Amino acid sequence: EIVLTQSPGTLSLSPGESATLSCRASERVSSTYLAWYQQKPGQVPRLLIYGASSRATGIPDRFSGSGSGTDFTLTISRLEPEDFAVYYCQQYGSSPLTFGGGTKVEIK
Amino acid sequence: EVQLLESGGGLVQPGGSLRLSCAASGFTFSIYAMSWVRQAPGKGLEWVSAFSGSPGNTYYADSVKGRFTISRDNSKNTLFLQMNSLRAEDTAVYYCAKSTSNVVIPAAIQAWGQGTLVTVSS
Repeated sequence: EIVLTQSPGTLSLSPGESATLSCRASERVSSTYLAWYQQKPGQVPRLLIYGASSRATGIPDRFSGSGSGTDFTLTISRLEPEDFAVYYCQQYGSSPLTFGGGTKVEIK
Repeated sequence: EVQLLESGGGLVQPGGSLRLSCAASGFTFSIYAMSWVRQAPGKGLEWVSAFSGSPGNTYYADSVKGRFTISRDNSKNTLFLQMNSLRAEDTAVYYCAKSTSNVVIPAAIQAWGQGTLVTVSS
């Protein structure tokens, strides 16, 4: 099983600042089969990024993903008020599918 | 518009059983892989099980293997999760989820239902 470790656990930032979220895998993720999801309180998760760097439909370009192998990054440039949420990475290249523990981006 | 509506959650005693259902609409159900993902109260996401589109392969997390069974009825656009030998640690909101492809691997999760709460407690 591929274990995904997200850091930091919590990121305290102000609107307009940039956020850098890390996701590290315990072993290589096949062919960059890594996704990022956003979950706001009381809401269901939403797909942001798939294939490590491809934005899902309707996702603003301030969200960008990068990385390969075992190290992946989600960058949110110019945080908007609606971006404060919990973010999860997920690998879908091997079974079992696994999620990281999440990074909470909170308003400073 | 993709819609996924879960039902069947509730309170059950340890060792008991529940069957979750997920009614899907807004897409051609039979050609997409479908998953169940759960979230314990205040915790993160945990993938539970998945069923590919035709011909239909199933996958399970180690934590539920041998206790849970995923199935689907393509004629009724419905996904199921039969949960037996339930434990306190199975307490969670269970989400039905649509994959981006007909395969489970590799495919991300494109859409989520609102979830149904399963509480395992005496």
